Amino acid sequence: TQLLEQSPQFLSIQEGENLTVYCNSSSVFSSLQWYRQEPGEGPVLLVTVVTGGEVKKLKRLTFQFGDARKDSSLHITAAQTGDTGLYLCAGAADTGRRALTFGSGTRLQVQP
Amino acid sequence: EPEVTQTPSHQVTQMGQEVILRCVPISNHLYFYWYRQILGQKVEFLVSFYNNEISEKSEIFDDQFSVERPDGSNFTLKIRSTKLEDSAMYFCASSEGTGRNEKLFFGSGTQLSVL
Repeated sequence: TQLLEQSPQFLSIQEGENLTVYCNSSSVFSSLQWYRQEPGEGPVLLVTVVTGGEVKKLKRLTFQFGDARKDSSLHITAAQTGDTGLYLCAGAADTGRRALTFGSGTRLQVQP
Repeated sequence: EPEVTQTPSHQVTQMGQEVILRCVPISNHLYFYWYRQILGQKVEFLVSFYNNEISEKSEIFDDQFSVERPDGSNFTLKIRSTKLEDSAMYFCASSEGTGRNEKLFFGSGTQLSVL
């Protein structure tokens, strides 16, 4: 069974600060996705990383896939109150299956 | 942006009753999925559906569950005899089926409460 562990579970920071969220596993994933989920809504895809060592940027968000494709990180620069939400990582097994394994999420609160 | 539509948004049922959760995937998508999220727990994969048949399913998706695409637009999840532990938010999702970098679109979910 593949597991994805996210850390930290909760993060409360001031506007303007930087932060990093981690997603780790002992298993290899063919791709890893980051989602943001608002209360009462479904997850919304932010980015997909597929190549070991890959770095993708989405405005102030930087996503990295580990060289061994077992871990990933999400870094937010100069956080804004609008970044508040639940961030989920999800991986597809390195076996051609499409089912996603989700992490337990990081709840981010950005204080004004 | 196109969206996946789920109905109803909330469903309350008695234990042992059958429920059908409905989804309208994005029109040109080929893969359809059901995930669920029990309150306070991780999002869990249930089943994927392609070319009018199940392509993958998890251990959760036992004989009490079934999926169907009764027409060209709807995708349904049926739970034959609901149990208390089936209470969860059920998310439908769809994708184009283009490969590892494809985008998965989730609906807003149906909150199922089994009493």
